[in-house]
Amino acid sequence: DAGVTQSPTHLIKTRGQQVTLRCSPKSGHDTVSWYQQALGQGPQFIFQYYEEEERQRGNFPDRFSGHQFPNYSSELNVNALWLGDSALYLCASSPGQDEQYFGPGTRLTVT
Amino acid sequence: GDSVTQMEGPVTLSEEAFLTINCTYTATGYPSLFWYVQYPGEGLQLLLKATKADDKGSNKGFEATYRKETTSFHLEKGSVQVSDSAVYFCALRSYNQGGKLIFGQGTELSVKP
Repeated sequence: DAGVTQSPTHLIKTRGQQVTLRCSPKSGHDTVSWYQQALGQGPQFIFQYYEEEERQRGNFPDRFSGHQFPNYSSELNVNALWLGDSALYLCASSPGQDEQYFGPGTRLTVT
Repeated sequence: GDSVTQMEGPVTLSEEAFLTINCTYTATGYPSLFWYVQYPGEGLQLLLKATKADDKGSNKGFEATYRKETTSFHLEKGSVQVSDSAVYFCALRSYNQGGKLIFGQGTELSVKP
């Protein structure tokens, strides 16, 4: 059984560009959450998707948006990238509100 | 708002030493509490959890007890190994805030042979 997978592994973008990160949840999980982890910090909650709707959102600007597909996979989109958006982006899946399983993350560098 | 505070690292220990990483929290109601571990270059792995007061979570020799009276969830291990070197995160999930996890800043552990 594959765990949570994320793509790409690494990404380099320029300020002002847009980026899309992808996540496939663990089999049987219908809920996907996204977190941003800056270097040396704990992960910060961005938002959570369930039944293709954003169910909960953290303190992130509207530049951060997401989507969940009928197969429960999810995308995170970030528009108008800032240098401060450089971070490890983690996806976590869960069966409902239960225990979250994390993927390996996507390392985004904004130059 | 809800928050988690961990002892600052890095923590450096010799193999077979006793480990304690302190974690305290602020939350309304009765949150669920977690310890996650992050090895270099990897995502987070759930180490253990406790969902109510006085519960003890345990896994791979690590233990933590949910102490409501002191709002704490300290991580302990009796004898650390070099392979335990990683960053450890304490986290909570509030009962009234859905699935959102709130993390501490992490504590880096380095175990020397």
